[in-house]
Amino acid sequence: DARVTQTPRHKVTEMGQEVTMRCQPILGHNTVFWYRQTMMQGLELLAYFRNRAPLDDSGMPKDRFSAEMPDATLATLKIQPSEPRDSAVYFCASGLVGLSGANVLTFGAGSRLTVL
Amino acid sequence: AQTVTQSQPEMSVQEAETVTLSCTYDTSESDYYLFWYKQPPSRQMILVIRQEAYKQQNATENRFSVNFQKAAKSFSLKISDSQLGDAAMYFCAYRSPSINSGGSNYKLTFGKGTLLTVNP
Repeated sequence: DARVTQTPRHKVTEMGQEVTMRCQPILGHNTVFWYRQTMMQGLELLAYFRNRAPLDDSGMPKDRFSAEMPDATLATLKIQPSEPRDSAVYFCASGLVGLSGANVLTFGAGSRLTVL
Repeated sequence: AQTVTQSQPEMSVQEAETVTLSCTYDTSESDYYLFWYKQPPSRQMILVIRQEAYKQQNATENRFSVNFQKAAKSFSLKISDSQLGDAAMYFCAYRSPSINSGGSNYKLTFGKGTLLTVNP
């Protein structure tokens, strides 16, 4: 089965350090999403891309977060500098958007980030 | 903006019994998609079932079925013959059709989730 691959699965870092999370979407998918999951806020959309172009990153703190797609096989989410409140599970999801709109998103296994 | 509400933070069911998880949503759109995702302890988000708003027939997938009430903006999930492996967090999600806005509203909006426990 095709899958979305995320690395790292787990990351523990100290406050102030840079963190980069990576996602390999399913080959042929043209849309990539980054979600953050916390106990308090649930699943929040941070950013998403279509055909590698950012469509919406309004959910992302701009001062410390950045999301990019350097090519069709890689999406990155970077936090610099990291803070304890960034501790969460970060999910990447990809999908194939067409005019039918009936497409399903496939999620990666998530990256659990702990900032001490 | 669309909102999704799951009013049951936790539910429990006896193995082999039936359980229904509730979901309501708020939208001004007439066409959209609704989903139920399952998240077991492994953290993986797994699609359980989906429903297109323009279809009156309720979607079914084996032991999983939905009761879609468009006028009431309700989308409940029924799990029949519950199994131990059904224990997980269940999320209801809403999505606009991409054709409405050129793809910019393609995002999923999730409810807060319902934690389902299956008792042996």
